[in-house]
Amino acid sequence: DSGVTQTPKHLITATGQRVTLRCSPRSGDLSVYWYQQSLDQGLQFLIQYYNGEERAKGNILERFSAQQFPDLHSELNLSSLELGDSALYFCASSTGGDNEQFFGPGTRLTVL
Amino acid sequence: EDQVTQSPEALRLQEGESSSLNCSYTVSGLRGLFWYRQDPGKGPEFLFTLYSAGEEKEKERLKATLTKKESFLHITAPKPEDSATYLCAVQGGLQTGANNLFFGTGTRLTVIP
Repeated sequence: DSGVTQTPKHLITATGQRVTLRCSPRSGDLSVYWYQQSLDQGLQFLIQYYNGEERAKGNILERFSAQQFPDLHSELNLSSLELGDSALYFCASSTGGDNEQFFGPGTRLTVL
Repeated sequence: EDQVTQSPEALRLQEGESSSLNCSYTVSGLRGLFWYRQDPGKGPEFLFTLYSAGEEKEKERLKATLTKKESFLHITAPKPEDSATYLCAVQGGLQTGANNLFFGTGTRLTVIP
């Protein structure tokens, strides 16, 4: 158990819908990262927050957004969902800097 | 642009048969190289961080090494429970303040009893 929690574990929805994925980092970690893992793409970085502020963006679509709240939990919002958005979405946390990132169990999103 | 290439894509070993996994990388200003283990449908599990060429780290049957261009994950006398996908990732320095990891596509290891 990495100490990072994610909810829900599974999400099944239809095209065009909007969903919210939630992540709670390890106690004491200020940085939260979101990654997407699909069969053909591997693990891809989406976005990073540090102590409530956006720190870096990767290949995140405009339909996707995220935020980190004062209690440091984070939410990833996915809207106007398409079939290709079906993937595993992982949250990771770290103390920041060059330190190792610890991953949560992931949310499996299926868009029908 | 950061690039990570892992080989082989898949590896089947007999229990007790030692081998090595390779991770070749290209990154502007390596800040760290990370190894993770991932079981199907689960989140990646942290194994090692290497920061500079010549560094080595060990954990049970695993040993990670780093040169200026590649890293190796050596598996000594593997057991069936070592079966998993092993992921290599780099943390580069192109973006100030960005700490994200850039992952390879992994090596899927199967250890046969």
